[in-house]
Amino acid sequence: QVQLVQSGAEVKKPGASVRVSCEASRYTVIDYYIHWVRQAPGEGLEWLGWIYPSDGDTNSARKFQGRVTMTMDTSITTVYMELSSLRSDDTAVYYCVGEPTGTSGFDFWGQGTLVTVSS
Amino acid sequence: QSALTQPASVSGSPGQSITISCTGTTNDVGNHNLVSWYQHHPGKVPKLILFEDTKRPSGLSNRFSGSKSGNTASLTISGLQAEDEADYYCCSYADTDFYVFGTGTKVTVL
Repeated sequence: QVQLVQSGAEVKKPGASVRVSCEASRYTVIDYYIHWVRQAPGEGLEWLGWIYPSDGDTNSARKFQGRVTMTMDTSITTVYMELSSLRSDDTAVYYCVGEPTGTSGFDFWGQGTLVTVSS
Repeated sequence: QSALTQPASVSGSPGQSITISCTGTTNDVGNHNLVSWYQHHPGKVPKLILFEDTKRPSGLSNRFSGSKSGNTASLTISGLQAEDEADYYCCSYADTDFYVFGTGTKVTVL
């Protein structure tokens, strides 16, 4: 089972970009779909997109297309999510989540990264 | 893509059964057998409790069960316990936007 460890909290100004990393311990993430999910304060869960490290394929929710970029490093142990043109309503805890197949649900969660957007 | 509709809150006494509904459309819940459910205790990481509408991850209590009829999926928690008090979210694969979560339901154990 993959274990996912995320980078630390970030504080950004409106209009800036943030990059959150998600490192796999014990195993690579090559065989997992890695999803990004966020939760704003007092709100529910929201899906941003996925990357499939095996072939580098990515997809994102229409709401975030053009603003979210998901990449991986060449060792395929770390994936990254970059969100640009930040707004105050992007303030949220961002999770990376591993899914072993395309249908098995969001099974392995990182610990979450708080991103605060404030002037 | 709108969020799937869940009741804001559901409550029950210890030992009782409760059911949480998750209503979508023919573009998501009604068109794929890909509804999953998550338990989220505040301050902790969400936990997968059901996938592919009705399947439980290995080791998950059989007190959690899923069903679906048309565009509505349901999660039933039987033998309600104090530790079940949490927020619950459904999620479905969607034709137009890949994945959509439900609005979330707060479960209170009386």
